[in-house]
Amino acid sequence: GAGVSQSPRYKVAKRGQDVALRCDPISGHVSLFWYQQALGQGPEFLTYFQNEAQLDKSGLPSDRFFAERPEGSVSTLKIQRTQQEDSAVYLCASSLGGAGYTEAFFGQGTRLTVV
Amino acid sequence: GDSVTQMEGPVTLSEEAFLTINCTYTATGYPSLFWYVQYPGEGLQLLLKATKADDKGSNKGFEATYRKETTSFHLEKGSVQVSDSAVYFCVAAGAGSYQLTFGKGTKLSVIP
Repeated sequence: GAGVSQSPRYKVAKRGQDVALRCDPISGHVSLFWYQQALGQGPEFLTYFQNEAQLDKSGLPSDRFFAERPEGSVSTLKIQRTQQEDSAVYLCASSLGGAGYTEAFFGQGTRLTVV
Repeated sequence: GDSVTQMEGPVTLSEEAFLTINCTYTATGYPSLFWYVQYPGEGLQLLLKATKADDKGSNKGFEATYRKETTSFHLEKGSVQVSDSAVYFCVAAGAGSYQLTFGKGTKLSVIP
């Protein structure tokens, strides 16, 4: 596709509900990142994939957060038993290589509101 | 870990005014530095970057110089336009790292 696509754009979940957020990266991009952006803050790193391998999940805030990229393309971020503090914009980015050396392209994000 | 501190907003300027958004960083080694911009309703976009000391990144009339001695990467533009209204993020990527560390963002509004 032309850019990184995320769906849904908006998600309202009741506390305790499980949610799944989808990211379609730019075709051919090896690296895929997830970031969490709280209101009024900059994005914070969650996890990193190189192809299908999850090389770094150090930013995931708890074991309720799980990400996968089984075929090295589309990725899903799953949050189990959502809590109010999970409310944020979740950003996906992809790049040809590591972000330090090549440009990271960001999707528009999924705004998650937990009520 | 790495950290980025940038000027708090919001910033409101008249069209054709001079813009400076201050940014300082803390990182091990020599990070790559970036400015990302988020226009209303759009995703984050790379505005400019610098990968080593004294490099100057520039794009769309914006520029920023990587100053190792002051650990700074201030964003400047000589004459802003209404279309520059957006949120600007200063970003660092540690040497050899794929993780981007963002500042909190500065919202710029340019009025005619």
